[in-house]
Amino acid sequence: ILNVEQSPQSLHVQEGDSTNFTCSFPSSNFYALHWYRWETAKSPEALFVMTLNGDEKKKGRISATLNTKEGYSYLYIKGSQPEDSATYLCAFQVWRKLQFGAGTQVVVTP
Amino acid sequence: DAMVIQNPRYQVTQFGKPVTLSCSQTLNHNVMYWYQQKSSQAPKLLFHYYDKDFNNEADTPDNFQSRRPNTSFCFLDIRSPGLGDTAMYLCATSRDREGLLTYEQYFGPGTRLTVT
Repeated sequence: ILNVEQSPQSLHVQEGDSTNFTCSFPSSNFYALHWYRWETAKSPEALFVMTLNGDEKKKGRISATLNTKEGYSYLYIKGSQPEDSATYLCAFQVWRKLQFGAGTQVVVTP
Repeated sequence: DAMVIQNPRYQVTQFGKPVTLSCSQTLNHNVMYWYQQKSSQAPKLLFHYYDKDFNNEADTPDNFQSRRPNTSFCFLDIRSPGLGDTAMYLCATSRDREGLLTYEQYFGPGTRLTVT
């Protein structure tokens, strides 16, 4: 069983503040690292698929970095807004399957 | 819009009473997955179909079965639900493209199942 760990489990952010959280994964047999955003009552939505060590991806105010040698990825939210409130899941790809972490629940308060 | 649809969104069933959850997709993807997510835990893959080929995970209980009658539809059958099967069930799809190593998955909104 591959362990994908996310920390913290939850965090509260004031509107306008920036935040970041971590996903750690096995550093061997790496295919790809996926990030998803899951808002309540909606479908999980793909944010990034990261494949190369040192990869940095950005989508609006959200960005992610990848370190495959040490087995971690950071996701950053700049200038958090209430609409960023969601659970952020990372997933380590093994072949055509994803091994998920338990997620980081982000609550942005006005 | 192309999408993954799950029905019902909420299901309450009694202990031991068979239940079927439905997933359909308009993406024409050849791979379909079923996940189980219990409260505050990681989504756990139960099984997946690659075209018509069924791939079970080693630790998926026999109580869980699946059917894929065509490309668009996939069903999750729980033959005798127990209280421990209360969870969110997510369906996802992806497309296998030659030479592409990444499998981005597209999810439905899930079915929240409660066993009483």
